[in-house]
Amino acid sequence: EAGVAQSPRYKIIEKRQSVAFWCNPISGHATLYWYQQILGQGPKLLIQFQNNGVVDDSQLPKDRFSAERLKGVDSTLKIQPAKLEDSAVYLCASSWGGGVNSPLHFGNGTRLTVT
Amino acid sequence: AQKITQTQPGMFVQEKEAVTLDCTYDTSDPSYGLFWYKQPSSGEMIFLIYQGSYDQQNATEGRYSLNFQKARKSANLVISASQLGDSAMYFCAMREGGDYKLSFGAGTTVTVRA
Repeated sequence: EAGVAQSPRYKIIEKRQSVAFWCNPISGHATLYWYQQILGQGPKLLIQFQNNGVVDDSQLPKDRFSAERLKGVDSTLKIQPAKLEDSAVYLCASSWGGGVNSPLHFGNGTRLTVT
Repeated sequence: AQKITQTQPGMFVQEKEAVTLDCTYDTSDPSYGLFWYKQPSSGEMIFLIYQGSYDQQNATEGRYSLNFQKARKSANLVISASQLGDSAMYFCAMREGGDYKLSFGAGTTVTVRA
């Protein structure tokens, strides 16, 4: 089975620029997540989708971050404008359901550097 | 409040020895799941093992086993017969029944020495 696909793998931008990340989950997985992982820390949830509806976006800085999941499959995460503190790895994950016993499967992540 | 606590920032282990990584958690939900992930330097997050709050037996997956002590709210990961390829960051994570998001600890870096 194909895993979670993310692109790009790396991105370097200047502060105040915009950037977008793309994620294609494992086929059939209804739940999709975006996590932010700052170097040396554990991942932090930004947003969770169930099909194409938002379940939890309480940690998403909505003044600059936005995310959508069209048709309940692919998802994009956008940052506009970027700040230095947004430098991190952005991980996309999916799971077949939202139950407690359903592991998340992660993509390879996008490493963002904001200069 | 921190839901997942991993108190060991880094550990060294000799090849072929066992290593135990500590994880304590905090929840009042009777239904929850505990997960361990491995993150090598390449960055991908690899699912290792799962333990449910209602499971009577400790989970095992190959060389990985989970020492689940429900009353103490601990879920320690044991890696037996360490290999050089086990060198990585290890994260403990939890999903609660009423929430479903996966919350991670700060992680423990394991370095296996030859």
